[in-house]
Formats: sequence, structure tokens, C-alpha cells
Amino acid sequence: AQSVAQPEDQVNVAEGNPLTVKCTYSVSGNPYLFWYVQYPNRGLQFLLKYITGDNLVKGSYGFEAEFNKSQTSFHLKKPSALVSDSALYFCAVRDAGGYNKLIFGAGTRLAVHP
Amino acid sequence: NAGVTQTPKFRVLKTGQSMTLLCAQDMNHEYMYWYRQDPGMGLKLIYYSVGAGITDKGEVPNGYNVSRSTTEDFPLRLELAAPSQTSVYFCASSLTGQYSYEQYFGPGTRLTVT
Repeated sequence: AQSVAQPEDQVNVAEGNPLTVKCTYSVSGNPYLFWYVQYPNRGLQFLLKYITGDNLVKGSYGFEAEFNKSQTSFHLKKPSALVSDSALYFCAVRDAGGYNKLIFGAGTRLAVHP
Repeated sequence: NAGVTQTPKFRVLKTGQSMTLLCAQDMNHEYMYWYRQDPGMGLKLIYYSVGAGITDKGEVPNGYNVSRSTTEDFPLRLELAAPSQTSVYFCASSLTGQYSYEQYFGPGTRLTVT
């Protein structure tokens, strides 16, 4: 069965420190992986995706993610966190059934403290 | 471009009432989706459409209906609202074609059923 796991409900980090939000996946075939961010009372915004190619993917707002096939992981990272990065982050994988359907993780709340 | 728009932003219904959540996109995307977001549960796919006149069930379709008469519009109908349908509803759209797999989300409709 296809699934996405975000093992941490919340991640706390001090401003200026590096951050990592973890994601692991289970899917048949080659995974197409995505990260989205949701600010309070807003819709989801696309951050970045991995389809093929370089395992380190760069996205919006200074975020990047590392695809690791052997560990079936796609962790989101940023070298220096900002208070404005505080939000809810979702990892998703494309459903093998096609039509660009996505299977989402439960989300991780990132809190960046001044 | 307005992107994906949703109306209303908020609504309170009584059990047994019906309503239609509206969704429109101006990006000429073929694929459209309806999700519900419950706390700690991520997003669950209700229905999706791959083009005008073509819809299919997602993971949690019970209690909902959809139609797609135009490329731009994808309304979601609740016929007999139940308290279990209290949620935040998001509409999304996506391009077809290679390397265009990400979805673009509307701002959401917060629905409370009392």
C-alpha cells in the first residue's frame, strides 16, 4: 500500500539554526515526491518536488529536500531557519494510480523561536 | 491569474441541510480535486476530475457529490450534512503532461455542521 509518514508532529528550532522536517514513503515504482507548506488559515503552497535526477532538490524560500532511495526518505531542510518559516508542512507522494493524485502525510508543525 | 478560488470561506450548516462548495480555476488545468483536512490527519481525497464530464471517487467520497461541466468549475455538493463533515475543504488543480505533477490549492472553505 502507498503511504507517507511524517514521524514528528512538531519540530522546534531556534531562529538561525538549521532545520529538518522528516518524511518517509512507501510506493510501488519510482516515487514522485512533494513538499507543501500551509500558513494559518491559508491553502497549501507548493515548495518543491522530486521527479528524477539530482537527489538534492532546491525549492522556494530557501528550502531544499534530499531524496534517499535506500532509506525511502525525502527530508525537508533549510540551513538557517526564520521565524516566518513557522507553519504546517506536508510531504506527499504521487499516487501510482495516476492523474497526479497525491497521498499526503499527516503534517508536521514547525515552530521557529526567536 | 486568480489561480484556484473557493467560495464561501466559512459556512455553518445544520444537520440535514445541503450546500454546494464552489471551486474555480483560471489556469486551464484539466485535473481538479477536492480534499478535506481534519486536524492531525493530513488531507484526504474526496473526488477528483480529469476533465469536463469525467469524475471519480477518491478515498472518502461518502456523503458528497461532484460534477464538472466546464474545465474551470468543479463544485462539491453535500446533500444531507452531518456533523462528521465538519472540516476544512480544499480544492486543487493540476496540469497534465510530463513534469507538471504538482497541484495548486485554493484558500479553503471552513465548514461547521451543528
